[in-house]
Amino acid sequence: GENVEQHPSTLSVQEGDSAVIKCTYSDSASNYFPWYKQELGKRPQLIIDIRSNVGEKKDQRIAVTLNKTAKHFSLHITETQPEDSAVYFCAASTGNTPLVFGKGTRLSVIA
Amino acid sequence: NAGVTQTPKFRILKIGQSMTLQCTQDMNHNYMYWYRQDPGMGLKLIYYSVGAGITDKGEVPNGYNVSRSTTEDFPLRLELAAPSQTSVYFCASSLGQFNQPQHFGDGTRLSIL
Repeated sequence: GENVEQHPSTLSVQEGDSAVIKCTYSDSASNYFPWYKQELGKRPQLIIDIRSNVGEKKDQRIAVTLNKTAKHFSLHITETQPEDSAVYFCAASTGNTPLVFGKGTRLSVIA
Repeated sequence: NAGVTQTPKFRILKIGQSMTLQCTQDMNHNYMYWYRQDPGMGLKLIYYSVGAGITDKGEVPNGYNVSRSTTEDFPLRLELAAPSQTSVYFCASSLGQFNQPQHFGDGTRLSIL
């Protein structure tokens, strides 16, 4: 079955710097790659997703890139702010099986 | 729309007790899921359902049961609660196939003592 590896497990950046979180997946049939943000004590919330027919997607300060050949995808957050501090989860699905989540990255933005 | 609603928000159980975690959604989503999240850890899929009357096991189904009699409701039953089931439980739903965005409820914090 699908396996999703996420790195790093923790990440600290200075406010205003960029943050990059990377995920790799094992099943070449996977075609849907969402990213979820979970603030402390809150529910996971979808922040951006990408499908296999697209190489990059942007939404204001966040972007996701997908490399199908290498089977990895990345979340990029620019001009980080304290409110970006949270745990971020990547996930992957073929569409025929449930999402498989990575173990999460704890991002701390230092003011 | 309320989205995905979970009750209760908090619960303390004694070892061996049973309870049902309730989950309901008003988005007419066909797919529903139950996850558990242990402190500082990721999401583990317990059970999922692709429609009324259809359920299937996820990664960690032991000690749990589910039913899906309507599109809206997907209750999770814990029988003979054990300390290892202390966790935060999230219910989620998605519109159609697995490659659609999942919407999560606010979670149920369950402690087994």
